[in-house]
Amino acid sequence: SAVISQKPSRDICQRGTSLTIQCQVDSQVTMMFWYRQQPGQSLTLIATANQGSEATYESGFVIDKFPISRPNLTFSTLTVSNLSPEDSSIYLCSDKTGGTDTQYFGPGTRLTVL
Amino acid sequence: GENVEQHPSTLSVQEGDSAVIKCTYSDSASNYFPWYKQELGKRPQLIIDIRSNVGEKKDQRIAVTLNKTAKHFSLHITETQPEDSAVYFCAASKGGGFKTIFGAGTRLFVKA
Repeated sequence: SAVISQKPSRDICQRGTSLTIQCQVDSQVTMMFWYRQQPGQSLTLIATANQGSEATYESGFVIDKFPISRPNLTFSTLTVSNLSPEDSSIYLCSDKTGGTDTQYFGPGTRLTVL
Repeated sequence: GENVEQHPSTLSVQEGDSAVIKCTYSDSASNYFPWYKQELGKRPQLIIDIRSNVGEKKDQRIAVTLNKTAKHFSLHITETQPEDSAVYFCAASKGGGFKTIFGAGTRLFVKA
């Protein structure tokens, strides 16, 4: 399986600011995803990061709030914009390699908004 | 829409006992069913998966069963140990480019 890293591992931000989270995979992968996991909750898919095109967002998530980039097959960023305390959560990136359905997760970024 | 229901939400067992977690999926086209274990503060880790052409799969103390007709699948952990304590998520996918739908999770406590 590909090794997935995320930066930062945690951050504390002021409301109204933005945080960009980076996700790096050590091999080329077909699909990359961004999830949010609120305390004690399940994994909620924010969007699928598409290489070379706009991300595909799930219901309830919009590009203005969660802009995503994927400039190549091994890297993606998620920005959480105009932060409010409700955005405090863990954000995880995930990958799926072509030809398999197996999905692996990065270590997550714990965001606290004050 | 697609949905995966998971039960129970919390499960407490004595060390050495078995634990069973059950999931139901709504989309009959789903053909891939992974299970993830998430320890506190850690990422979800894939522990076992099963495809729709197989009814059961085992890996040491862990087994997963699938009933396609009833759209049920279950995780069985035998001879539980304290290190099995974690949150377990079931999931379902139609494979390929389709997204994975996760259950709500089961918090398993194994008492020594």
